[in-house]
Amino acid sequence: DTEVTQTPKHLVMGMTNKKSLKCEQHMGHRAMYWYKQKAKKPPELMFVYSYEKLSINESVPSRFSPECPNSSLLNLHLHALQPEDSALYLCASSLGGFTGANVLTFGAGSRLTVL
Amino acid sequence: ELKVEQNPLFLSMQEGKNYTIYCNYSTTSDRLYWYRQDPGKSLESLFVLLSNGAVKQEGRLMASLDTKARLSTLHITAAVHDLSATYFCAVPSNTGNQFYFGTGTSLTVIP
Repeated sequence: DTEVTQTPKHLVMGMTNKKSLKCEQHMGHRAMYWYKQKAKKPPELMFVYSYEKLSINESVPSRFSPECPNSSLLNLHLHALQPEDSALYLCASSLGGFTGANVLTFGAGSRLTVL
Repeated sequence: ELKVEQNPLFLSMQEGKNYTIYCNYSTTSDRLYWYRQDPGKSLESLFVLLSNGAVKQEGRLMASLDTKARLSTLHITAAVHDLSATYFCAVPSNTGNQFYFGTGTSLTVIP
């Protein structure tokens, strides 16, 4: 298995809703990432989990809450989002550190619209 | 913070022509990655350059890395329409667990 699977592919939510984005990989990767990408911009790093521990939090608002239940799963819990949070949310994984080539493998993304 | 700049930001080129995209970064790194993103899609890995002087080629694309100049190039030979996409370079942090992406180059190949 060489894929990162993200669900849902599309999500529309109101500002008072609570929803979650899910990400799964079975490549034995020990680092998992959440990126946010706006149209025509590069991906912006939100969170990094390394060996199931949160290692990087790029000052993301608390309305985004990451969770790593095990080495294969990564969730992003969403609550009280704002319209400006509408974006493509990308999950990625890699071997971690400088292990091998440490290439990021991206999921297909979850396109979030906040009304 | 490590800064990664690409130029040009937008590139419109005719089929059959050659062109080069440049990626400059601000601190030392001995590796660099190139990714491709099709409109509305995710990113896919194109090349991993792991040392100074590394050169990788796949089809009409060739990437190289000069760590002393902190510069990578992505050369396009005899462009075809299928190469139309946005190309990003990325440089890892010194821990390897964070990647800094360039500004992206949006390439359109015109018949």
